[in-house]
Amino acid sequence: NAGVTQTPKFQVLKTGQSMTLQCAQDMNHEYMSWYRQDPGMGLRLIHYSVGAGITDQGEVPNGYNVSRSTTEDFPLRLLSAAPSQTSVYFCASSRGGIREGGYTFGSGTRLTVV
Amino acid sequence: AQKVTQAQTEISVVEKEDVTLDCVYETRDTTYYLFWYKQPPSGELVFLIRRNSFDEQNEISGRYSWNFQKSTSSFNFTITASQVVDSAVYFCALSERSNTGKLIFGQGTTLQVKP
Repeated sequence: NAGVTQTPKFQVLKTGQSMTLQCAQDMNHEYMSWYRQDPGMGLRLIHYSVGAGITDQGEVPNGYNVSRSTTEDFPLRLLSAAPSQTSVYFCASSRGGIREGGYTFGSGTRLTVV
Repeated sequence: AQKVTQAQTEISVVEKEDVTLDCVYETRDTTYYLFWYKQPPSGELVFLIRRNSFDEQNEISGRYSWNFQKSTSSFNFTITASQVVDSAVYFCALSERSNTGKLIFGQGTTLQVKP
């Protein structure tokens, strides 16, 4: 059971480039979400999804797009990378939100935009 | 509005000391859930505990204990007889029943346990 898998683990982008951070879970969890972690600011919610075809914005959605075409996958797209998007990104999943337990987090993607 | 505050940015203790990490939360929901996560130097997030708003009993798990007080909107975490392996960043988080897709984190407390 792999849990939540994030790829890549590390990435360096040039300003203006686009890329997709991948997140996949094999636990049949309904809820998935993306967070970014910056020093001194904890983890902040970017986007989340409560099921296939349903997404919503979190606290810091600007510059990011998501879609949820399947239960398993929840990719995060950076349309035009900016240095302010340098961060560590975590994907998380949960069955039925938090009613049935906590969130399982992926191991993170460390992104540097130069 | 929902908010989690961890006022202690960094704490340094000597091994075997007890240490308490504070967490204060704000929410308008009557049903909500509180979490603690540990982030060791390797970077992954490790789930420690989940507590719902209707259960104010304190919880103990080995050297870890949690004190939930709705009257002061606090959910504090105590490590007894700290060890070097406890060195990590600890996050408190909140999720409201009305929007369980969202987990709101505090800023985190960095705990350093010196030998």
